[in-house]
Amino acid sequence: ELKVEQNPLFLSMQEGKNYTIYCNYSTTSDRLYWYRQDPGKSLESLFVLLSNGAVKQEGRLMASLDTKARLSTLHITAAVHDLSATYFCAVDDYTYKYIFGTGTRLKVLA
Amino acid sequence: SAVISQKPSRDICQRGTSLTIQCQVDSQVTMMFWYRQQPGQSLTLIATANQGSEATYESGFVIDKFPISRPNLTFSTLTVSNMSPEDSSIYLCSANAADTQYFGPGTRLTVL
Repeated sequence: ELKVEQNPLFLSMQEGKNYTIYCNYSTTSDRLYWYRQDPGKSLESLFVLLSNGAVKQEGRLMASLDTKARLSTLHITAAVHDLSATYFCAVDDYTYKYIFGTGTRLKVLA
Repeated sequence: SAVISQKPSRDICQRGTSLTIQCQVDSQVTMMFWYRQQPGQSLTLIATANQGSEATYESGFVIDKFPISRPNLTFSTLTVSNMSPEDSSIYLCSANAADTQYFGPGTRLTVL
């Protein structure tokens, strides 16, 4: 059974600081997705990573995938308040079903 | 991409009743999915809605409790049957398009 774990679960950081969210999964897959969810809202697709070594960047966020280590990272550079949200990773086990991680609730403090 | 709408956006229901949630996609898609998200929690997949065949349910979810219809390539419904307070949750539908899943806005269900 595919399991997906994220850490940390909660992250409070100062504006301007850097930090990394980690997503570990338990079985072979090279399809990993990052989503953002604002309170009371649905999920917004951030990144689609479909191969080992894939790296995608958008603004202050950068995501990477290491399929051998079964690990994806979401790196935040020089955080700003607008990045406060919950971030989820999800893994596709080749059946097009997504298994979601536990989520990381990020709060950026001014 | 795909734009997904859901109805209703929220509802408050009495125990023992049923609620049907509708999901509409703005383009034809092969696969649609239904998830449940408890407040402050992650998403749990309920079932995959297949057009022209029965839905495929995940462990812990059964057709009698969560019947699903998929009459065409742009529409699906999820019914939450014989509701109890434990069914209070957000229900989200999603669809595969362009290498990722897009999500609807969700239906917030409260069962009294």
